[in-house]
Amino acid sequence: EPEVTQTPSHQVTQMGQEVILRCVPISNHLYFYWYRQILGQKVEFLVSFYNNEISEKSEIFDDQFSVERPDGSNFTLKIRSTKLEDSAMYFCASSVGGSFYEQYFGPGTRLTVT
Amino acid sequence: AQRVTQPEKLLSVFKGAPVELKCNYSYSGSPELFWYVQYSRQRLQLLLRHISRESIKGFTADLNKGETSFHLKKPFAQEEDSAMYYCALMGAQKLVFGQGTRLTINP
Repeated sequence: EPEVTQTPSHQVTQMGQEVILRCVPISNHLYFYWYRQILGQKVEFLVSFYNNEISEKSEIFDDQFSVERPDGSNFTLKIRSTKLEDSAMYFCASSVGGSFYEQYFGPGTRLTVT
Repeated sequence: AQRVTQPEKLLSVFKGAPVELKCNYSYSGSPELFWYVQYSRQRLQLLLRHISRESIKGFTADLNKGETSFHLKKPFAQEEDSAMYYCALMGAQKLVFGQGTRLTINP
């Protein structure tokens, strides 16, 4: 069964550095999402992406964040200048359609900012 | 505002006992609700959604619009049900999750 994949599984970076988290969504899916989960807290929506543009974003997704689909398979989340509070588990998800379709989640990337 | 509340962070029951994981929501429109499960060292996966009215792994959930609830139930818990359970609300192309309930089934 096709799955969403994410790399790396764990990323350690220093405060102020740029990081890129990578995701390969399921191949026939058209909608892509990023969520994050700070340790001990709930899973929070960051951004949704469709047709090569952001369709919805949360207040967390400020100018330090960007997303890109650089080719036909990858979907990336970039954090320009990481802060300590960016330390979290980042989940990518994809779905074949919009709102009423199941979102399939990747295994997550644990980002640790020191 | 869209909000999902799961009042219990931890729930522990014995094998064979009934299970109920509570979920309440706040949403102005017609809600689309889901239960996601995360087994140990595995990814988040959809358990069930209210619109399909299915029973998955013996679990059911009924949407009660009057009480704004979507509680997850299973009549007889099994050890393999031990996991983290998240209630989620779909709104405007995003899932809004509750805090999650860690369910432990004791032998």
